[in-house]
Amino acid sequence: DQQVKQNSPSLSVQEGRISILNCDYTNSMFDYFLWYKKYPAEGPTFLISISSIKDKNEDGRFTVFLNKSAKHLSLHIVPSQPGDSAVYFCAASGGSGTYKYIFGTGTRLKVLA
Amino acid sequence: NAGVTQTPKFRILKIGQSMTLQCTQDMNHNYMYWYRQDPGMGLKLIYYSVGAGITDKGEVPNGYNVSRSTTEDFPLRLELAAPSQTSVYFCASSNPGLTASPLHFGNGTRLTVT
Repeated sequence: DQQVKQNSPSLSVQEGRISILNCDYTNSMFDYFLWYKKYPAEGPTFLISISSIKDKNEDGRFTVFLNKSAKHLSLHIVPSQPGDSAVYFCAASGGSGTYKYIFGTGTRLKVLA
Repeated sequence: NAGVTQTPKFRILKIGQSMTLQCTQDMNHNYMYWYRQDPGMGLKLIYYSVGAGITDKGEVPNGYNVSRSTTEDFPLRLELAAPSQTSVYFCASSNPGLTASPLHFGNGTRLTVT
């Protein structure tokens, strides 16, 4: 049972435009959500997080939105840059107090120059 | 500032062999994790530890063992390697307080079992 789902395996966006990456989850006990970026042959790098008490968190070009009723979160990148081309993973934790993080399958973003 | 260090970077094993993937962190983090990533898939949690002497199973623990004798080190042991264990293995650490905190990952160990 996939508790965290990223239904779009890939996404292509023109440089300068907005990239929107989506993530759905099924466990209503999740209360902390993160986005990671991964380049080939490297470990995932933390981008931005949001707790369930908020519905939006911004950090520079990156904004994460959380819709708890829909069990949906999204990552917006504005403006998109070629260096943003990578695989993006969403992850969720919570409910048990043990901080187990469950990851989605990832979305490969390609920003076209 | 090394962060999370994994060794080796690459390894090829024959079926039935055993090995230990090493992971060490220098951030004094209490929590440590092992994930595996199969091609085209997300990261699956194998085992995690909330502190020295305490470990617990994740989503896919079968075929693996872990130990946590110190805060810094969290080795992952494969006893009888199988082709299904061909994957990239990532170690991570975090230090949650009253709230959760992000995971810091190493650069991975690419393991091939033939």
